Amino acid sequence: EAQVTQNPRYLITVTGKKLTVTCSQNMNHEYMSWYRQDPGLGLRQIYYSMNVEVTDKGDVPEGYKVSRKEKRNFPLILESPSPNQTSLYFCASRGGAGMRTFGSGTRLTVV
Amino acid sequence: DAKTTQPTSMDCAEGRAANLPCNHSTISGNEYVYWYRQIHSQGPQYIIHGLKNNETNEMASLIITEDRKSSTLILPHATLRDTAVYYCIVTTSGYALNFGKGTSLLVTP
Repeated sequence: EAQVTQNPRYLITVTGKKLTVTCSQNMNHEYMSWYRQDPGLGLRQIYYSMNVEVTDKGDVPEGYKVSRKEKRNFPLILESPSPNQTSLYFCASRGGAGMRTFGSGTRLTVV
Repeated sequence: DAKTTQPTSMDCAEGRAANLPCNHSTISGNEYVYWYRQIHSQGPQYIIHGLKNNETNEMASLIITEDRKSSTLILPHATLRDTAVYYCIVTTSGYALNFGKGTSLLVTP
């Protein structure tokens, strides 16, 4: 089944403790991206990647890092998480004709 | 990308057609209209997209006016599972998607 897999689904962590949210797709898509969703602010793009080793900032990149060492994986790294990064995170990959496939989401709480 | 305007919320009776409008009066000739929906806090789901012609797939139909300044997503026989937030997005490439606030559709029994 074609899908985007994110892990973990839920995560509670403390301020400053580095964490990584993994994202993997099995559709051989070149373009992948990360979004965060907050009440009243909708979905906002954090980072995106056009292909392996090609990444760029989205609308809200501060406090995040990404890497794209292989086509299927696009991890989101929070090196020093803060409470304002408490959010619902989605990874997505782009297929033909611009259709996005989204992961199931990661609900992150930073205390 | 062109800005879109959607109603904040709509209701629809189960079994009836749900018609969700979207205005995109500043759309340019090479911009597509995409529709996604998000059920509760799940990942958004692609529904349909089009450029000029009307489109239909197993989920919905997309009607684009001749001047392309507005469009309507039609769910022909809405079910309770169609309750979701529906996003109309206009973009040239399908790369940068501005989801906006969307329309919250409530399907009632």
